[in-house]
Amino acid sequence: QVQLVESGGGVVQPGKSLRLSCAASGFIFSGYTMHWVRQAPGKGLAWVALISHDGNTLYYGDSVKGRVTISRDNFDNTVNLQINSLRTEDTAVYYCARELEGSLYMDVWGKGTTVTVSS
Amino acid sequence: SYVLTQPPSVSVAPGKTARITCGGNNIGIKSVHWYQQRPGQAPVLVIFYNTDRPSGIPERFSGSNSGNTATLTISGVAAGDEADYYCQVWDSGSHHRVFGGGTKLTVL
Repeated sequence: QVQLVESGGGVVQPGKSLRLSCAASGFIFSGYTMHWVRQAPGKGLAWVALISHDGNTLYYGDSVKGRVTISRDNFDNTVNLQINSLRTEDTAVYYCARELEGSLYMDVWGKGTTVTVSS
Repeated sequence: SYVLTQPPSVSVAPGKTARITCGGNNIGIKSVHWYQQRPGQAPVLVIFYNTDRPSGIPERFSGSNSGNTATLTISGVAAGDEADYYCQVWDSGSHHRVFGGGTKLTVL
């Protein structure tokens, strides 16, 4: 069945880097834009980044721009999020979600991976 | 960037109708999507393109969008509908996806 499974979260010190991964299965991965969305404890959803189906178009949210890189591998069916210079305010559950190219909504979400930035 | 405004909370008695609003400048010309997030779970799409329901979402969930307000309507509310609800649009200027702040639906 259609599935997105995030991994790579953990406890990290401020200033360090982390790479999150999302493994996709059950659908034609190369036909979908992929997103990362995060949710700080007790807060709402915040869009982080997107990568187009072919990897040629990237957009980043204002709160992470310059510290985050999104990438994908259409052979391994994975999408990654590299976060550098981690701050305490990056503490959140990070979800990956798919969007049929051009549809502008996210129809399938993973269960999320938790990132805690703390010294 | 584009801003979406939702009420922090809405309360409704079981069996009644809940209406959750999402305000934005001229939002009526945009496509609005709605997500339900139950406690401890990932978001689930419940309405897309203002009024369409994904397969598996009950007909009790409906949406509308006009002027400066989009609305998610849940009729015959049940305890299982208690969740946070988020609206989302595409900001054509930045190409970013934008979420509203979320509304906590409480079933009394």
